[in-house]
Amino acid sequence: DIQMTQSPSSVSASVGDRVTITCRASQGISSWLTWYQQKPGNAPKLLIYAASSLQSGVPSRFSGSGSGTDFTLTISSLQPEDFATYYCQQANSFPLTFGGGTKVEIK
Amino acid sequence: QVTLKESGPVLVKPTETLTLTCTVSGFSLSNARMGVSWIRQPPGKALEWLAHIFSNDEKSYSTSLKSRLTISKDTSKSQVVLTMTNMDPVDTATFYCARTSKYPYDFDYWGQGTLVTVSS
Repeated sequence: DIQMTQSPSSVSASVGDRVTITCRASQGISSWLTWYQQKPGNAPKLLIYAASSLQSGVPSRFSGSGSGTDFTLTISSLQPEDFATYYCQQANSFPLTFGGGTKVEIK
Repeated sequence: QVTLKESGPVLVKPTETLTLTCTVSGFSLSNARMGVSWIRQPPGKALEWLAHIFSNDEKSYSTSLKSRLTISKDTSKSQVVLTMTNMDPVDTATFYCARTSKYPYDFDYWGQGTLVTVSS
């Protein structure tokens, strides 16, 4: 199985900050990496697919990059509604696997 | 409008078998590009993918839970069913069903989730 490792597990940031979350795959997955946002009590929401493609309706302050084994999710200017937990998922092959999550908290 | 909704028991006893149903609307389970997965999330923990069923009825399972899981679908009822045997308190979690609509396999629509507690 492909293991997905996210870092950091949590980050404290202020509104307006730039936040970067990384995700590493245990083997190459080309660009087949997806990012989700989850708020308490809600199902995850797809933010970015294929490493860098923004899902329709997602604000442009979210961006993704990377290929192979190393990927990054960046929030360019953190907004109050962005405080949440973010998960990466390898979409390359079954069994599908998620990262452990990164909680973005208010500083 | 695409929707998915999970249903099933909120409480099961240890050693019992859990059966969950995902009822979908707004798309057909027979559409060549469509698939549905089950994913769980223990309270305060990360997401864990469990199983997937493709439009052609091909299935895939979590390596660690494969022996306990069965996924199936009834296209006429627009339902996907997951059974999980020999439930244990550590299996307490919110269970989600979610749709994939293309390769690569990312989840564009999710159900609201259903919390299943395992306790005697």
